[in-house]
Amino acid sequence: AQKVTQAQTEISVVEKEDVTLDCVYETRDTTYYLFWYKQPPSGELVFLIRRNSFDEQNEISGRYSWNFQKSTSSFNFTITASQVVDSAVYFCALLNTGNQFYFGTGTSLTVIP
Amino acid sequence: GAVVSQHPSRVICKSGTSVKIECRSLDFQATTMFWYRQFPKQSLMLMATSNEGSKATYEQGVEKDKFLINHASLTLSTLTVTSAHPEDSSFYICSARQGNEQYFGPGTRLTVT
Repeated sequence: AQKVTQAQTEISVVEKEDVTLDCVYETRDTTYYLFWYKQPPSGELVFLIRRNSFDEQNEISGRYSWNFQKSTSSFNFTITASQVVDSAVYFCALLNTGNQFYFGTGTSLTVIP
Repeated sequence: GAVVSQHPSRVICKSGTSVKIECRSLDFQATTMFWYRQFPKQSLMLMATSNEGSKATYEQGVEKDKFLINHASLTLSTLTVTSAHPEDSSFYICSARQGNEQYFGPGTRLTVT
């Protein structure tokens, strides 16, 4: 069975603080992909990152960084020096070998100016 | 990346009427498209997988006679919500697959009054 868990339903931080969004996944597939998407109030999903199961290298893109730990089945997302524009719902997702997406329940991030 | 469009972006219809939502891959051909539904403050749930030229595969609990899917060409899939009711009000998102990539449309917000 595939499952993605985002335990944090809502997070509020003050602008310029760092924030980490947690994601834990379950799958029996040996090959899979993990994603993070941002969903602003408009509703459109904004792709942030894709990571395949064989690549555990952490990645940094500007203020965003991702920590993939296969040993704990986690794929956490950190925003450094948060900004008001970062306020959105963030979804972690798993794409399995059958090409089906499994989305977490999302974390609603509010950055307070 | 590739672009997927949806039309309309918003639609309001009266209870009992039917409404059609289009999903188009603008710059690539997609043999497989997916339809998701997202209720307010909830995650995306896969409704059905649409394969060009064949019948759609529906997820458990999704009524195929109520949510008609047609994938008549490699660039267009349509979702028709028949005899819509207020509980069908939701955000409908499609995605299109190109190789190992999936691209999401901007979504259609359906309100049934």
